[in-house]
Amino acid sequence: QLQLVESGGGVVQPGGSLRLSCAASGFTFSNSVMHWVRQAPGKGLEWVAFIRFDGSNKYYGDSVKGRFIISRDNSKNTLYLQMNSLRPDDTAVYYCAKDPTGVAPHWHFDPWGQGTLVTVSS
Amino acid sequence: DIQMTQSPSTLSASVGDRVTITCRASQSITGWLAWYQQKPGRAPRVLIYQASNLQSGVPSRFSGSGSGTEFTLTISSLQPDDFATYYCQHYRAFGQGTKVEI
Repeated sequence: QLQLVESGGGVVQPGGSLRLSCAASGFTFSNSVMHWVRQAPGKGLEWVAFIRFDGSNKYYGDSVKGRFIISRDNSKNTLYLQMNSLRPDDTAVYYCAKDPTGVAPHWHFDPWGQGTLVTVSS
Repeated sequence: DIQMTQSPSTLSASVGDRVTITCRASQSITGWLAWYQQKPGRAPRVLIYQASNLQSGVPSRFSGSGSGTEFTLTISSLQPDDFATYYCQHYRAFGQGTKVEI
C-alpha cells in the first residue's frame, strides 16, 4: 500500500540545521507532487513547501522561505527538507504528504507520513 | 492571502448526532477545498476533496458541500470513532481546526 516514512527529526539549537527525509513506497513517486506540512505542539496544520514531480518547481510558505529547501531523489524514492537557520518557532512535527497529481497540485494530501518531531531549543 | 476560518472551534456532541462544521474563506474560492480528520498523535487523513468528493475508503456518513466562501462538512450520524479534530484546507491555507468531543 501507499506509504511514507519520515526520518531525521531531533533536537537542534537555534541557528542550526537539520535535514529531514521521507521514504516513499507503494506508488510511483517520480510522478507525484510532494508536500511538507508541519504542526507545532498543540497547534494546527501549516503547509511548508511542495515540489513538482521532477523537481523543476518548488514553492515555500512565507515563514520558511529563504531558510528551508525542498528536494527529491526520484532514483531513491525519497523526499527531503533541508532546514537552515532554525528558530524556536520551527519546533513542530513535520509530515510529508503526497498530492494526487504530478505537475500542478490539487491540494489534497493522501497519504501522509507518520511525522517526525523537530525541536529547536538551546 | 486567503484565510480559512472554521466554526465552531469546539463542538460537543453525542453518538448518533448529526454534526456540521463550517469553513469560511476570506474571499470567494474555487472548489479546491479539502477536509481532514486528525486524531491525537496521528497524521491527518483526508475525508473530502474538491469540496464534495468522498475520498476512497471514507465512510459515507461524511459529506461535504458549499461554494464561494462557505463550505460545510457534515457527519450524518456521529460514531465513536469520529471524535477527533477536523481541518479544512484551500491550497496552502488550513483552517484552525474544529475539535469534536463527547
